[in-house]
Amino acid sequence: GAVVSQHPSRVICKSGTSVKIECRSLDFQATTMFWYRQFPKQSLMLMATSNEGSKATYEQGVEKDKFLINHASLTLSTLTVTSAHPEDSSFYICSARGASGVSSYNEQFFGPGTRLTVL
Amino acid sequence: GDSVTQMEGPVTLSEEAFLTINCTYTATGYPSLFWYVQYPGEGLQLLLKATKADDKGSNKGFEATYRKETTSFHLEKGSVQVSDSAVYFCALSDRGYGQNFVFGPGTRLSVLP
Repeated sequence: GAVVSQHPSRVICKSGTSVKIECRSLDFQATTMFWYRQFPKQSLMLMATSNEGSKATYEQGVEKDKFLINHASLTLSTLTVTSAHPEDSSFYICSARGASGVSSYNEQFFGPGTRLTVL
Repeated sequence: GDSVTQMEGPVTLSEEAFLTINCTYTATGYPSLFWYVQYPGEGLQLLLKATKADDKGSNKGFEATYRKETTSFHLEKGSVQVSDSAVYFCALSDRGYGQNFVFGPGTRLSVLP
């Protein structure tokens, strides 16, 4: 089946620094990737949708200058949390969807998540 | 907006017990409904799905029926195993399959031997 990886799985950083999280589709080409955020005991909340080669579409209330998303290739999307603060501490999950016309188009495949802790 | 409500855990059962995890939804259109499972240290995996009313999704002994009249999609399994211990997420997609997922808060299931 389709596999999506995330790196790193855990990261601890100081307040004010920037953190980059990678999301890779390992065995299929992902034309669309999604970034979610999950607070403890809460739902996954969609932050943004990124399509390869174009700008990401952010959900209402998500600061695009705070959460920079780049989807430069069909197998890699990155989320950069800029000038991180303790309130950005959360579990970030990506998912990927394949191109139209292939089986991976009809499902989102999820990565294992990245736990960010900002001190 | 769209939303998903599911029973919050943790749910603790003995092996071979019957499992029900309730899920209800609110949506403006006719969403597709999903159950995802997350095992410790792993990503979310699709467990089963249903795309229209009265559809029954099933996989690995789990079942859920899309009930439009009660806006529900309850997950059931007749006899749970220790290996079923995980977090279960109910979700809907209201813009066609693969787009705009809305998740419930997740239910942690622990099955004791």
